Amino acid sequence: SYELTQPPSVSVSPGQTARITCSGDALPKQYAYWYQQKPGQAPVLVIYKDSERPSGIPERFSGSSSGTTVTLTISGVQAEDEADYYCQSADSSGTYVVVFGGGTKLTVL
Amino acid sequence: QVQLQESGPGLVKPSETLSLTCTVSGGSISSYYWSWIRQPAGKGLEWIGRIYTSGSTNYNPSLKSRVTMSVDTSKNQFSLKLSSVTAADTAVYYCARERVAVGGGLYFDYWGQGTLVTVSS
Repeated sequence: SYELTQPPSVSVSPGQTARITCSGDALPKQYAYWYQQKPGQAPVLVIYKDSERPSGIPERFSGSSSGTTVTLTISGVQAEDEADYYCQSADSSGTYVVVFGGGTKLTVL
Repeated sequence: QVQLQESGPGLVKPSETLSLTCTVSGGSISSYYWSWIRQPAGKGLEWIGRIYTSGSTNYNPSLKSRVTMSVDTSKNQFSLKLSSVTAADTAVYYCARERVAVGGGLYFDYWGQGTLVTVSS
């Protein structure tokens, strides 16, 4: 089965840049999406189609793709960015099974 | 603004069937894909499956034998049934609207607040 791999945790100080990676064999063929989830809340889409930002998402959130790895970058991290981040994609089969990465806990020191 | 609201029993006995309904407001349920996603406490997200308003479905292969989804367009609702539940099915269950991105890809743009379902006798 198709898997997406993320680091369990990333820690940065306020104002620094956080980078969260997501690796998967199908990522060169399938777009990746990123969600932010704060405790007790539903996930919120922060990046779509590898690098595009939905309206209302701060410009400090950006995404990039290289081969089998996609990266969520948060520039000038703020305390409010502390959350779990999940990448999501789909397999290339006809049923388009949705797959989530295991999630990365971003801690703002 | 589209809103989704999950409803259903918060406690289900082992071996029984979990049943949840998602009510969509602020927009039509028609012509969209709708998904169920779950999250055990302290763990990651797991996609359960999707239904289109025509009634066609796709399920996660790991749950396919136990999952049934249905849609009622007249009520702007869609539903999930998960049979033969065990403690491993205890989770927050979310309903979400699934979109097909221009150029390919699938993503979720609206989510319900989630509902905790506990499997216990």
